[in-house]
Amino acid sequence: DAKTTQPTSMDCAEGRAANLPCNHSTISGNEYVYWYRQIHSQGPQYIIHGLKNNETNEMASLIITEDRKSSTLILPHATLRDTAVYYCIVTGTGNQFYFGTGTSLTVIP
Amino acid sequence: DTGVSQDPRHKITKRGQNVTFRCDPISEHNRLYWYRQTLGQGPEFLTYFQNEAQLEKSRLLSDRFSAERPKGSFSTLEIQRTEQGDSAMYLCASSLWTGFNEKLFFGSGTQLSVL
Repeated sequence: DAKTTQPTSMDCAEGRAANLPCNHSTISGNEYVYWYRQIHSQGPQYIIHGLKNNETNEMASLIITEDRKSSTLILPHATLRDTAVYYCIVTGTGNQFYFGTGTSLTVIP
Repeated sequence: DTGVSQDPRHKITKRGQNVTFRCDPISEHNRLYWYRQTLGQGPEFLTYFQNEAQLEKSRLLSDRFSAERPKGSFSTLEIQRTEQGDSAMYLCASSLWTGFNEKLFFGSGTQLSVL
């Protein structure tokens, strides 16, 4: 079962940073936070994951709070192609990836 | 990198018929997953393989569903006596499990419509 809470939908202006929050208050010490996104009619796409430290790659940044009970995915300069459903997933070694209903992000021109 | 390939992309069938889907994972990946997704919902885990061994099956996977990965490469998912409730997107994913953490790479899915 999904262990995360995300807003149902968000809008972001093109070119601005998109900040997508995720609450995971019951996260265990060995569980990772993963972010995936799904563009209409495609399979989910891996974005980033982290355990405790903040992470950055070519797609996004992941900020995890010190108590690890919440995190934020940051798309630094949103484009129209970033319009998608974004899933925050908490999972540990040997456990499955359970997707919730995610956040539907709409990037507005 | 050819990615995860699924075939067919779309399947329309009549209630009561059997259907089979195929998934070709990324070549060096040892784990293969099947998920199902209905409109407005996130993907739901069905089952997964590590090499040839099917290690876990969800309670969602009724007796009418069977999955195989005979040589640890491609996998098939068969649904017998399809029902209208089986209409969904069936997604396959693969990963390279090294005992630590893993990243799942998904295919584009097979959209099943049961009439």
